[in-house]
Amino acid sequence: GAVVSQHPSRVICKSGTSVKIECRSLDFQATTMFWYRQFPKQSLMLMATSNEGSKATYEQGVEKDKFLINHASLTLSTLTVTSAHPEDSSFYICSAQTLLMNTEAFFGQGTRLTVV
Amino acid sequence: AQTVTQSQPEMSVQEAETVTLSCTYDTSESDYYLFWYKQPPSRQMILVIRQEAYKQQNATENRFSVNFQKAAKSFSLKISDSQLGDAAMYFCAYSGRGATNKLIFGTGTLLAVQP
Repeated sequence: GAVVSQHPSRVICKSGTSVKIECRSLDFQATTMFWYRQFPKQSLMLMATSNEGSKATYEQGVEKDKFLINHASLTLSTLTVTSAHPEDSSFYICSAQTLLMNTEAFFGQGTRLTVV
Repeated sequence: AQTVTQSQPEMSVQEAETVTLSCTYDTSESDYYLFWYKQPPSRQMILVIRQEAYKQQNATENRFSVNFQKAAKSFSLKISDSQLGDAAMYFCAYSGRGATNKLIFGTGTLLAVQP
């Protein structure tokens, strides 16, 4: 099956610094990638949708300048949390789709971000 | 806007028994997809089953089956012969049929399996 690799799985950073999370599709070309945020014991909240080569579409209430998304190639999307604060601590998950199989989303393993 | 509702925050089932998880949704579209995802403690999202709205036949995958009632906008998941490994958070999700199909998730149901 299609594999999506997300890195790092865990990261701890100091308040005020930036953190980059990578999402890679290993064996298929991902025309669209999605970034979700999940608080403890809660559901996945869609943050943004990114299509290769174009600007990401952010959901209402998500700060574009805080959460920078880049989808520079068909196999890689990155989420950068800029000037991180403790309230940004959360679990971030990416998923990827391909036009050939756009009925199914393939998920990365997630990244637990802790801002201290 | 589409919404997905799961009214059971937690459920419990005895090993080898059957349990049904409820899900309702709201949409004005006539064609769409519905999914059940499992999220074990590892937090890796795993697709359990998928239903295409234009198909009247309920989807089945081994011990997992759905009861899809399109008119009632209901999409329940039945787990038969429950196993300890079924213990997880289960999310119901909706997706349109556009070129970019973002998933809209319900709030989840935490399933415990008692030995």
